[in-house]
Amino acid sequence: GDSVTQMEGPVTLSEEAFLTINCTYTATGYPSLFWYVQYPGEGLQLLLKATKADDKGSNKGFEATYRKETTSFHLEKGSVQVSDSAVYFCALSANYGGATNKLIFGTGTLLAVQP
Amino acid sequence: DAGVIQSPRHEVTEMGQEVTLRCKPISGHDYLFWYRQTMMRGLELLIYFNNNVPIDDSGMPEDRFSAKMPNASFSTLKIQPSEPRDSAVYFCASSFGTVDTQYFGPGTRLTVL
Repeated sequence: GDSVTQMEGPVTLSEEAFLTINCTYTATGYPSLFWYVQYPGEGLQLLLKATKADDKGSNKGFEATYRKETTSFHLEKGSVQVSDSAVYFCALSANYGGATNKLIFGTGTLLAVQP
Repeated sequence: DAGVIQSPRHEVTEMGQEVTLRCKPISGHDYLFWYRQTMMRGLELLIYFNNNVPIDDSGMPEDRFSAKMPNASFSTLKIQPSEPRDSAVYFCASSFGTVDTQYFGPGTRLTVL
């Protein structure tokens, strides 16, 4: 079945460091891809998305490019801040022949940014 | 506009008791989702509704769990009887027109002793 695999955390970085969180997927058809973020004590919120191959999603300095050839959607940010400390979830949305359509989430990657 | 509202925020109960979690989705949203999050199992989709109708309940762990959506502005998730392994954070989420952009509530932290 469809699935999402993301790098295990925690990822610990110093402020202003470059961030990459890897995400790969397995899916039949052409899924849409997402990054959600969960700040401490809160629910998840959509960070960015891409709906087709080669699309780049971006928001708040974060970017991810939909790479169909490598089935990847890696999250990047050029300079992280302490306020970026959170759990990041990669997800895909696939249509199961019209019967059901739901988000498949990865296991989440904890990012801790130190001042 | 108010986001997704969940109540209670925290619930502590004893094994065998009935637990009811409540959710008010964002007004106008036609999809509603119930998730469970634990350290061991991560984020799991339990059930979701479209226009108040359950579409996929394949994630509901067992018959002790039930969910209802009597109208567009209210849903409940009930556990009867509760067990310690049900301890988790339960999230409700809603979306409009698609499952893609979901808005999550703050969650209910359930502890079953």
